[in-house]
Amino acid sequence: GESVGLHLPTLSVQEGDNSIINCAYSNSASDYFIWYKQESGKGPQFIIDIRSNMDKRQGQRVTVLLNKTVKHLSLQIAATQPGDSAVYFCAENIGWQGGKLIFGQGTELSVKP
Amino acid sequence: NAGVMQNPRHLVRRRGQEARLRCSPMKGHSHVYWYRQLPEEGLKFMVYLQKENIIDESGMPKERFSAEFPKEGPSILRIQQVVRGDSAAYFCASSPTTGATEAFFGQGTRLTVV
Repeated sequence: GESVGLHLPTLSVQEGDNSIINCAYSNSASDYFIWYKQESGKGPQFIIDIRSNMDKRQGQRVTVLLNKTVKHLSLQIAATQPGDSAVYFCAENIGWQGGKLIFGQGTELSVKP
Repeated sequence: NAGVMQNPRHLVRRRGQEARLRCSPMKGHSHVYWYRQLPEEGLKFMVYLQKENIIDESGMPKERFSAEFPKEGPSILRIQQVVRGDSAAYFCASSPTTGATEAFFGQGTRLTVV
């Protein structure tokens, strides 16, 4: 059902520390996953993606880990900066359904200077 | 995501009026998706369109909501006889192909029904 009115999970970290944001996805048939960053009043911004035939992918300061056994996705941000403060969403895609994405609830990352 | 253009950015409508939200996809993208976001929630898929075709409308409310993506011009999400519960942020995304590919999002239209 809808989780109307609930606050987002929040992760608070110190500037320079590493952040780990977790996500449980729903469908074992999902074969493509994306992490998005959403700042207040803006649209989701692509961070990094991973396909189901991989278990790890690295970008600039970010790493995504995929554990298909337990349907778990994580985003690691190295040396977190104040500009990283935002809400982070994982999204899953079932390829044969086209580009439709199913979004998780989101985690609010707060970086303390 | 600056390439996906949505307008207006903010829209205020009285109950019972119609709301029209526009989305111009990135250049070269022929796949458009509409999502709705309630406060402190994730985005919920509404509809997937290609030029002149609705591919998947499984997330669209059965009444009052419609979407189109004509051969020429932007995609339009239309909400008739708006109610307070329609107040939300509506996001459009586009992609160059279907399937497992990155979708680029616009900045959204924030609809407020008073």
